[in-house]
Amino acid sequence: QQPVQSPQAVILREGEDAVINCSSSKALYSVHWYRQKHGEAPVFLMILLKGGEQKGHDKISASFNEKKQQSSLYLTASQLSYSGTYFCGTEYSSGAGSYQLTFGKGTKLSVIP
Amino acid sequence: ETGVTQTPRHLVMGMTNKKSLKCEQHLGHNAMYWYKQSAKKPLELMFVYSLEERVENNSVPSRFSPECPNSSHLFLHLHTLQPEDSALYLCASSQGQTGVDSYGYTFGSGTRLTVV
Repeated sequence: QQPVQSPQAVILREGEDAVINCSSSKALYSVHWYRQKHGEAPVFLMILLKGGEQKGHDKISASFNEKKQQSSLYLTASQLSYSGTYFCGTEYSSGAGSYQLTFGKGTKLSVIP
Repeated sequence: ETGVTQTPRHLVMGMTNKKSLKCEQHLGHNAMYWYKQSAKKPLELMFVYSLEERVENNSVPSRFSPECPNSSHLFLHLHTLQPEDSALYLCASSQGQTGVDSYGYTFGSGTRLTVV
């Protein structure tokens, strides 16, 4: 079952902050975050393993609330290069020792000057 | 060449044609994946290979047939496709394919497939 992302789209001015949320109804092992620019491959940003850890990557960080099965991606002091579609991927056991990474529909982020 | 390479970048095929998509990774990863990306839809997992063995087949129609001859190469063989199969097909690889020791995926640039 795919995770639910919100918002679907957001427009920011350079320097503003944004939060993208991702929630799942299934028990998760990990949450992945990716960014895809138009016409390009999705690029891995970070992964959060269950345990509630928070990670940072330059001015982009994320948290994982294992109890709520939710993750949030925080973009601070946004730059033009942050524009793109952000996908969260939630990893859960599909049985027999196998795991699936299922993606949300994405959040389109546009940063304008 | 490094990363994940997919060929061809674009493919137009008729419904009666047979074609193959190729994916190659030079990262030493053990798991490879095929995803389908359609407009306004989330990335859909199609197949998963771990150590050259297929571990997932997400109810994909038999007109799509994957092949993983070794840990560096992955193919998607196509035959008698339908127009609704037109999409971007993405290949990805990761270091492993477990839930506890989870790894980020490296995606290729995809093959834009149009079925006419």
